[in-house]
Amino acid sequence: GNSVTQMEGPVTLSEEAFLTINCTYTATGYPSLFWYVQYPGEGLQLLLKATKADDKGSNKGFEATYRKETTSFHLEKGSVQVSDSAVYFCALSVLSGNTPLVFGKGTRLSVIA
Amino acid sequence: SAVISQKPSRDICQRGTSLTIQCQVDSQVTMMFWYRQQPGQSLTLIATANQGSEATYESGFVIDKFPISRPNLTFSTLTVSNMSPEDSSIYLCSVDRGGNTEAFFGQGTRLTVV
Repeated sequence: GNSVTQMEGPVTLSEEAFLTINCTYTATGYPSLFWYVQYPGEGLQLLLKATKADDKGSNKGFEATYRKETTSFHLEKGSVQVSDSAVYFCALSVLSGNTPLVFGKGTRLSVIA
Repeated sequence: SAVISQKPSRDICQRGTSLTIQCQVDSQVTMMFWYRQQPGQSLTLIATANQGSEATYESGFVIDKFPISRPNLTFSTLTVSNMSPEDSSIYLCSVDRGGNTEAFFGQGTRLTVV
């Protein structure tokens, strides 16, 4: 079946530190991969996505590269800000009709000044 | 893209009562999904709602507890029935257009049952 495993949180970093949140997946077929962010008290927003191997998604200084050989889609940011404090979800979608995304468990990031 | 309006954004309810959550999409979509997010947890899919047919529920969720309506291609409701404190969660509606496209989410309904 399809599944997503992402690193457990919480992650606490100082402002301007480097961030990596690991995400690996298992999927039949060729999935698209996503990172969603949930700020406190809000719903989920798409942060970035990649639809095929070696694609790099990027947004707001965050990046993730679709690595088929390692079935990974790790999220990175070179210099985090306090405003990046949120919960981050890795997710995948497969081309099999109208099926919902498969989400990881989420990683809570806290950035302190 | 899709813009989803979900309401109420939050509510505090007495145990034993029911709450209906509404989800309005700015365009026609075939599939709508309802999720529950318990405190500090990830998203758990409750059910998939198709227009013109009964919703399909995931294991652990039943229609009597979470009745869903889908009267047209832009609207759906989820009712949380006979609530108990264990139902305190964020409830989210979502749509996607199938294939390898991203999903779009409402802003969520934060429910507290006392």
